[in-house]
Amino acid sequence: NAGVMQNPRHLVRRRGQEARLRCSPMKGHSHVYWYRQLPEEGLKFMVYLQKENIIDESGMPKERFSAEFPKEGPSILRIQQVVRGDSAAYFCASSPSGPNTGELFFGEGSRLTVL
Amino acid sequence: GNSVTQMEGPVTLSEEAFLTINCTYTATGYPSLFWYVQYPGEGLQLLLKATKADDKGSNKGFEATYRKETTSFHLEKGSVQVSDSAVYFCALTTRTQGGSEKLVFGKGTKLTVNP
Repeated sequence: NAGVMQNPRHLVRRRGQEARLRCSPMKGHSHVYWYRQLPEEGLKFMVYLQKENIIDESGMPKERFSAEFPKEGPSILRIQQVVRGDSAAYFCASSPSGPNTGELFFGEGSRLTVL
Repeated sequence: GNSVTQMEGPVTLSEEAFLTINCTYTATGYPSLFWYVQYPGEGLQLLLKATKADDKGSNKGFEATYRKETTSFHLEKGSVQVSDSAVYFCALTTRTQGGSEKLVFGKGTKLTVNP
């Protein structure tokens, strides 16, 4: 049973370009979470999605960032017009039915570098 | 909202030393508490959890007890190994604006164990 798959593992973009990060949750999981880890900092919650719905996007910057989890295919975190401050590791996690049991299964992360 | 404060790192120990990483929390209601571990270059993995007061979570020689009176969930291990070198994150559940729950993480404590 494959774990949470994220790609690309490493992404380099120049300022002003777009970054797309993909996340395929574990089989049978319908809840996806995106976290951002800045250097020397902890994980910051960004967004929580279920299939085709955004449940909580309170951690997502209001501009340039968007997320989706379509009925078919992976979840996508999209960052438009990237700036240097967007450089970070972006982690996706999934769970089978909400975090009530607390265990999230994390991917290995996508490390974005903005030049 | 709910939040977690854990001791600043880095922590450097010799093999077989005793480990304590402090974690305190601020919460309304009765959150579940967790320790996650992140090995170099990897995503986070659940290490242990406790869902109610006085519960003790344990795994791989690590232990933590949910102390409601001191709002703490300190991580301990009696004898650390080089392979325990990692970043440790304390976390708790908090209710989202939509009524579901999400995990909130501390900043992480980097542990290095020297042979």
